[in-house]
Amino acid sequence: GESVGLHLPTLSVQEGDNSIINCAYSNSASDYFIWYKQESGKGPQFIIDIRSNMDKRQGQRVTVLLNKTVKHLSLQIAATQPGDSAVYFCAENRYNAGNMLTFGGGTRLMVKP
Amino acid sequence: DAGITQSPRHKVTETGTPVTLRCHQTENHRYMYWYRQDPGHGLRLIHYSYGVKDTDKGEVSDGYSVSRSKTEDFLLTLESATSSQTSVYFCAISEEGRAYNEQFFGPGTRLTVL
Repeated sequence: GESVGLHLPTLSVQEGDNSIINCAYSNSASDYFIWYKQESGKGPQFIIDIRSNMDKRQGQRVTVLLNKTVKHLSLQIAATQPGDSAVYFCAENRYNAGNMLTFGGGTRLMVKP
Repeated sequence: DAGITQSPRHKVTETGTPVTLRCHQTENHRYMYWYRQDPGHGLRLIHYSYGVKDTDKGEVSDGYSVSRSKTEDFLLTLESATSSQTSVYFCAISEEGRAYNEQFFGPGTRLTVL
C-alpha cells in the first residue's frame, strides 16, 4: 500500500487511555460528517458518520460528537489500542454538491505501549 | 478488503509524457472516485463517476481526464504529466444514498514525475 509523509498534528496517548481527535469545519450546509482512518501504507477506511441533525453517535469503541454552534466535530476512541495508531481524517458530505466528500487535513494518532 | 485494485502501484515518468492509472473493482458499485493525496492537502477529489460513461469533475480536475467504459474499470489519464502531479493517487468506490459516506479505497499508486 501507499502512504504520504504528511506533516500533521500529532496526538500521542498511552495504550488503554481514551483518545479525542478534533476537527473544525467551515461549511454549515454539510449534511453528514464522517471520520476515516488511514493506516500506514493503506488507503483510508470508513469509521463512522453522523448526520448534521444529530449531536452524538456511538459505534464500536468510538463516539462522534457534533457541535454545530462552534462548527466542531470530535472522534472519541475508548481504551485506545496499538492498532488504533493511524492518521484520522474528518470529511463532510453535502447532498447538493453532488455527494462529494471534502476531507480535512488529518491528525496522526500515536499509541504508546 | 473491498475488491479494489489499482495499477500500476508505482510509476516514475518524465514531464510531458502521458500516464494512465487504472482502478478495477469487483463489487459492482455504481460510484467510483479518483483522489490525490499530498502533504499539507490531505485527500482531494480529482474526478468521479456515477455510472458507465457518466463522469464529473472534482476539486482538482485540471490536467486530468477520466473514462469509464465498464462498471468495473475507471481510468485516470494525465495527458502530459507535470511535476506538480507527483502524488499518491487513490481510487475509491461507493454505493448510493447514505452509503455515499462510506467509500472503500484502493491501496494507492505512487506517481513520480521527474
